[in-house]
Amino acid sequence: GAVVSQHPSWVICKSGTSVKIECRSLDFQATTMFWYRQFPKQSLMLMATSNEGSKATYEQGVEKDKFLINHASLTLSTLTVTSAHPEDSSFYICSARLEGASGELFFGEGSRLTVL
Amino acid sequence: GENVEQHPSTLSVQEGDSAVIKCTYSDSASNYFPWYKQELGKRPQLIIDIRSNVGEKKDQRIAVTLNKTAKHFSLHITETQPEDSAVYFCAATQGAQKLVFGQGTRLTINP
Repeated sequence: GAVVSQHPSWVICKSGTSVKIECRSLDFQATTMFWYRQFPKQSLMLMATSNEGSKATYEQGVEKDKFLINHASLTLSTLTVTSAHPEDSSFYICSARLEGASGELFFGEGSRLTVL
Repeated sequence: GENVEQHPSTLSVQEGDSAVIKCTYSDSASNYFPWYKQELGKRPQLIIDIRSNVGEKKDQRIAVTLNKTAKHFSLHITETQPEDSAVYFCAATQGAQKLVFGQGTRLTINP
């Protein structure tokens, strides 16, 4: 199957700082990537759809100015959590689908963010 | 938009018994229904999926059934083993659209 890599796998930061998470498709090109957030013992909630070369599409209730998404190439999307606060502590997971395919999503390893 | 409901939230079965997890979806246009297994702190792993042109699919001890009329689909695990213990998520999507997940089921296999 296709491989999606995410970095860093975990990060601890101070409140008020910004954190960048990278999501790479290693062996395929992805016009679209998806960013999910998962709180402990909860489901994966879609935050936004990252579109290569254009603006991301955010889900209702997700602050686009706080969660900046950049999809500058067909293999890389980044999520920046700006001015992070403790309530932003969560497991962030990216995913991508093979170009032209419908169906299966390939997930990154996830990034666990802890804001002190 | 699509809404996926999953039940039960927790399920405990004896090793060797079968486990069934059920999901319903709201968007009749959805045509792809995957099931993911997620272990603690890990990424979701696809274990089986089904498309709307099929009513049932089986892969060894795992099977999925789909009822398009009722808009529900189920995961069946037979001969459960301790390593089946994990959180399972159903999901639904239409074509290349976003995947919407159910709330998850924590499955525990008791030795």
